[in-house]
Amino acid sequence: DTGVSQDPRHKITKRGQNVTFRCDPISEHNRLYWYRQTLGQGPEFLTYFQNEAQLEKSRLLSDRFSAERPKGSFSTLEIQRTEQGDSAMYLCASSLNSARPLDEQYFGPGTRLTVT
Amino acid sequence: QKEVEQNSGPLSVPEGAIASLNCTYSDRGSQSFFWYRQYSGKSPELIMSIYSNGDKEDGRFTAQLNKASQYVSLLIRDSQPSDSATYLCAVNSPGNQFYFGTGTSLTVIP
Repeated sequence: DTGVSQDPRHKITKRGQNVTFRCDPISEHNRLYWYRQTLGQGPEFLTYFQNEAQLEKSRLLSDRFSAERPKGSFSTLEIQRTEQGDSAMYLCASSLNSARPLDEQYFGPGTRLTVT
Repeated sequence: QKEVEQNSGPLSVPEGAIASLNCTYSDRGSQSFFWYRQYSGKSPELIMSIYSNGDKEDGRFTAQLNKASQYVSLLIRDSQPSDSATYLCAVNSPGNQFYFGTGTSLTVIP
C-alpha cells in the first residue's frame, strides 16, 4: 500500500502564470484535504472533499484557487494568476471517514511552489 | 485569538529525559485532537490522536486531553536525538475544518 502522493514535488513559476497540482490519496480513503504551509507556520486549511463533493472551503481562500476531485479519487488544486505570496508548500492529506470522530489524516510529501 | 496555540520553543531536553509539549485550543466544540511530527523540509507525520478526556499511551508517547481546560499535551518519554523535530498540534473543529498550531521545535541533546 502506498501513501499519499503529490505531483510535482517542486514547481517554479513566474508571477501571473497558472499552476496545477495533483494529489493521489491512499486508495481506500474517501476524504481529501488541501493545506498550505509557509516557513515557521503550521499547515493552513484550504479545502476538503468527501468523495467528489467539496464540503468545506476556507474563507481565507482566494477566488484564484480552485480544487476538484471529479471521480472521488485524485484531486487537483489550481492557482490562477499566481502571486509571490502564493509561494509555499502545498500539502495534501487523506483520511478514512468513519463513525468515530477521529478522522486521522495522512499527509503526502507536498508540492513546493516558488513564484518569481 | 488563534484557534490553536503552542509555545514555539525551542525546547531542549537531554537524551533520555521526558519532553512535554503543550497546546491550547479555542473552540469548545472541537472533538478530535492530533499530534504530528515534522522534520525540516518534510511533511507532517501523525504520531497520536485523542478524543476522550484523559491519557492515551502509545509506546514512548502519551497524549493527554482536558476538554474543560481546552488543553492537550504530548509527553515523550526516554527522548532520543531522532525525536528532534517540530511538533504540531491539530484540532478538528465543528464543520470538520482542521486547525494547526505553529508548532514547537524540540531538540534532544545527546
